[in-house]
Amino acid sequence: NAGVTQTPKFRVLKTGQSMTLLCAQDMNHEYMYWYRQDPGMGLRLIHYSVGEGTTAKGEVPDGYNVSRLKKQNFLLGLESAAPSQTSVYFCASSYGVGELFFGEGSRLTVL
Amino acid sequence: AQRVTQPEKLLSVFKGAPVELKCNYSYSGSPELFWYVQYSRQRLQLLLRHISRESIKGFTADLNKGETSFHLKKPFAQEEDSAMYYCALQPTGGGNKLTFGTGTQLKVEL
Repeated sequence: NAGVTQTPKFRVLKTGQSMTLLCAQDMNHEYMYWYRQDPGMGLRLIHYSVGEGTTAKGEVPDGYNVSRLKKQNFLLGLESAAPSQTSVYFCASSYGVGELFFGEGSRLTVL
Repeated sequence: AQRVTQPEKLLSVFKGAPVELKCNYSYSGSPELFWYVQYSRQRLQLLLRHISRESIKGFTADLNKGETSFHLKKPFAQEEDSAMYYCALQPTGGGNKLTFGTGTQLKVEL
């Protein structure tokens, strides 16, 4: 039972490149989330999903896109990476309104 | 919009001393409040939530609506309590969109 798994764990990109972060959960959770963590800023919600096929914007959605084609997966895409997107990205899931279960984080550096 | 404030970036205490991690919130309704903790090289995880009114690992937190605070307390700090602590707020009817504070790094010294 792996819980929430994020891939990749580390990535370095050049400005303008694109990439996708994958989040997978094996707990049959309905809700999934993508947060970014920056020094002095705490965790900020980028996008979230309340079920397969649904997505919604969070606090800081600009520059990111997401998809939830399968219940267990939540993808975060950066179409044209910018240095301001250098951050640690956390995926989380929950059964409903309640405890969030987090992944280990993905550290992204944009040069 | 809601806001969560954790005024201390770093809190250092000696082993056996009392601990209080401060959390203040701004929200017009009745929120649900949480404390999450991230130990070194571990995932962020739930420590406690105010509606359960539990004591977890010796920690307690009381919601004070008058002062809009949800401070985390422990009477005697242990070395293993060293970690990053985040206060989080869930608005009423807001799904599960948590707003996190900026976190407080607790360091327990011997």
